[in-house]
Amino acid sequence: EPEVTQTPSHQVTQMGQEVILRCVPISNHLYFYWYRQILGQKVEFLVSFYNNEISEKSEIFDDQFSVERPDGSNFTLKIRSTKLEDSAMYFCASKQGGDTQYFGPGTRLTVL
Amino acid sequence: DQQVKQNSPSLSVQEGRISILNCDYTNSMFDYFLWYKKYPAEGPTFLISISSIKDKNEDGRFTVFLNKSAKHLSLHIVPSQPGDSAVYFCAASGAAGGTSYGKLTFGQGTILTVHP
Repeated sequence: EPEVTQTPSHQVTQMGQEVILRCVPISNHLYFYWYRQILGQKVEFLVSFYNNEISEKSEIFDDQFSVERPDGSNFTLKIRSTKLEDSAMYFCASKQGGDTQYFGPGTRLTVL
Repeated sequence: DQQVKQNSPSLSVQEGRISILNCDYTNSMFDYFLWYKKYPAEGPTFLISISSIKDKNEDGRFTVFLNKSAKHLSLHIVPSQPGDSAVYFCAASGAAGGTSYGKLTFGQGTILTVHP
C-alpha cells in the first residue's frame, strides 16, 4: 500500500540553524500539507500546497518557514533560523483530491 | 483554537466491549470529519470519515455517527481489541468535494486503553 515517507526521523539542531525536513508524498496525490505537534499539544496545521504554490498557511507559518516541491516526488519544509519553540513533531500529509489526508510517520525536530 | 474538542483525555474499556469516543465542534462551516489513530512516535493513521450529508458511516468494527444539530460526532469500536489501544484524534475540514484545500483542524486526542 502506498504511503507517505519522511526523512529524517529525528533531527537535532542548534538554535539559529537552518533545517530542511523532507517528505515523499503518495505518488498520484495532488495536495500536500505540513502539520506539527508540540509535545502535549494538538496537531496544528502549518501549510497546504497545491499546483506548485502555497494555497493556505497558518499564523505559525511565518517568514522563517518555506515549502518547496523541487521535483516530482519530494516536498520539503525549510525553517531558516530555528528557535527553541520550533521543537516538535512535524508531519507531512497528502491527498489525491478527495478529503482524506494520509500522514507520514513524522520528523522529530529538537532545537537546542 | 478550540474549534474541535475531545473532552475525554482517556478512556479505558475491556476487550470485547464497545468503545465510544466523542468529539464536539463549534465551526458550522466544517462539513467533513475524520478519525485518526496514532501510536507513539508514528504519524496519524486514517480510520474512518463522514461527510456532513450523512449521519452514519460504518467500516467493519468502526462506526462514526454525526449529529449536525448538536455539532457532535462519535466513534464506536465494536468489539474493542487490545490492539486498538492508541490515541484517537477527531479532525474536521471546511469543505468537502475539493472546493477547499482541506486544512484539517484537530481535537486534542483521547487515549484509548483496551484491557484484555
